[in-house]
Amino acid sequence: SQTIHQWPATLVQPVGSPLSLECTVEGTSNPNLYWYRQAAGRGLQLLFYSVGIGQISSEVPQNLSASRPQDRQFILSSKKLLLSDSGFYLCAWSLGHNSYNEQFFGPGTRLTVL
Amino acid sequence: GNSVTQMEGPVTLSEEAFLTINCTYTATGYPSLFWYVQYPGEGLQLLLKATKADDKGSNKGFEATYRKETTSFHLEKGSVQVSDSAVYFCALSDYNNAGNMLTFGGGTRLMVKP
Repeated sequence: SQTIHQWPATLVQPVGSPLSLECTVEGTSNPNLYWYRQAAGRGLQLLFYSVGIGQISSEVPQNLSASRPQDRQFILSSKKLLLSDSGFYLCAWSLGHNSYNEQFFGPGTRLTVL
Repeated sequence: GNSVTQMEGPVTLSEEAFLTINCTYTATGYPSLFWYVQYPGEGLQLLLKATKADDKGSNKGFEATYRKETTSFHLEKGSVQVSDSAVYFCALSDYNNAGNMLTFGGGTRLMVKP
């Protein structure tokens, strides 16, 4: 069966510090991968998605970036965090050619920028 | 473009009450429809799905019917429990979307009191 991991689970970082969040998927090949952010009490905002290694599409311009160095690894980064980067970050995957197109979510990383 | 509209919460119910969370959508293609549930501090879990008109998705006592004529996918449960307290997201995916991206509603928080 497929599983998705995110780490760290929680993170507290000062403004201006760098960020690296990691997401890995097990049990499937060539998945589509996604990064979402959820601000407190708010809905989901799609940040990035990837349909293959090295292929990244950005949905929202910001100081964040994403990379996919391996088929089942998706990394969210920032060189300098802002207060507004605080939130709950969710990684998700889906099958590339699944007609149902459901996405499966990881447990999330709660980021607090102070 | 695609969009999903959910009733705003929070929805507060007593245990064993009947639940309805309204969801309507706008889509250019023939979308699949989903309900996701997010328990406090966790990622999203797929609750149920429907892939074509008149399909009924069901899981854990929850049901939703894909109504193409009213472009709706309302979530219902006959008798809610305290453990159903969570945020519920309605979402759609257009089959022709090469990126397999989901469009989410804003989420509805359900609070069930004993």
